[in-house]
Amino acid sequence: SQKIEQNSEALNIQEGKTATLTCNYTNYSPAYLQWYRQDPGRGPVFLLLIRENEKEKRKERLKVTFDTTLKQSLFHITASQPADSATYLCALEATGTASKLTFGTGTRLQVTL
Amino acid sequence: GAVVSQHPSWVICKSGTSVKIECRSLDFQATTMFWYRQFPKQSLMLMATSNEGSKATYEQGVEKDKFLINHASLTLSTLTVTSAHPEDSSFYICSAEKVTGSQETQYFGPGTRLLVL
Repeated sequence: SQKIEQNSEALNIQEGKTATLTCNYTNYSPAYLQWYRQDPGRGPVFLLLIRENEKEKRKERLKVTFDTTLKQSLFHITASQPADSATYLCALEATGTASKLTFGTGTRLQVTL
Repeated sequence: GAVVSQHPSWVICKSGTSVKIECRSLDFQATTMFWYRQFPKQSLMLMATSNEGSKATYEQGVEKDKFLINHASLTLSTLTVTSAHPEDSSFYICSAEKVTGSQETQYFGPGTRLLVL
């Protein structure tokens, strides 16, 4: 069966460190993989999109890698700040599914001083 | 920009009543909008894909007669929860798809929290 797995345990890191979140998937052929941020009681906010033929994408302090052999994406936040504390969701758009996204359950990141 | 709004942001209703939720793309046109539902500590689950000017496509297990979707313009989709029951209480989130060149990105609304008593 198709699965998207993110670490359900919260990730606690100290301010200034790099946070690394993992998204693993099985039985998918993703055309795109996307990362979103979701704050409590709010809708997700789009952060980055990476295509199947891209290895890495960067945007300011964010970096996403995509390894279709390992079926894994890593999401990095460098120089993390308390304001980065939120739940981060990965989402896949599978090939031929007309833009439909399937979301992982998200990983909660807590950045402390 | 790519701003999507939802209205209302929260609603409490009695069992058996119907509730309408609006989703608007404020600064772009969206041929396609999506409706999701999210239960506490769970991920977003796609309910249906809403296409402007045509019938919505529902995901397996989602009752089309209970969750009525209307996408009458390129900036507005509505979801009506008919004869709501307590088990319909959830966080409903819409997204609007913005197409830029060959890239399609979904931008999400802030969500609507529904509580059915």
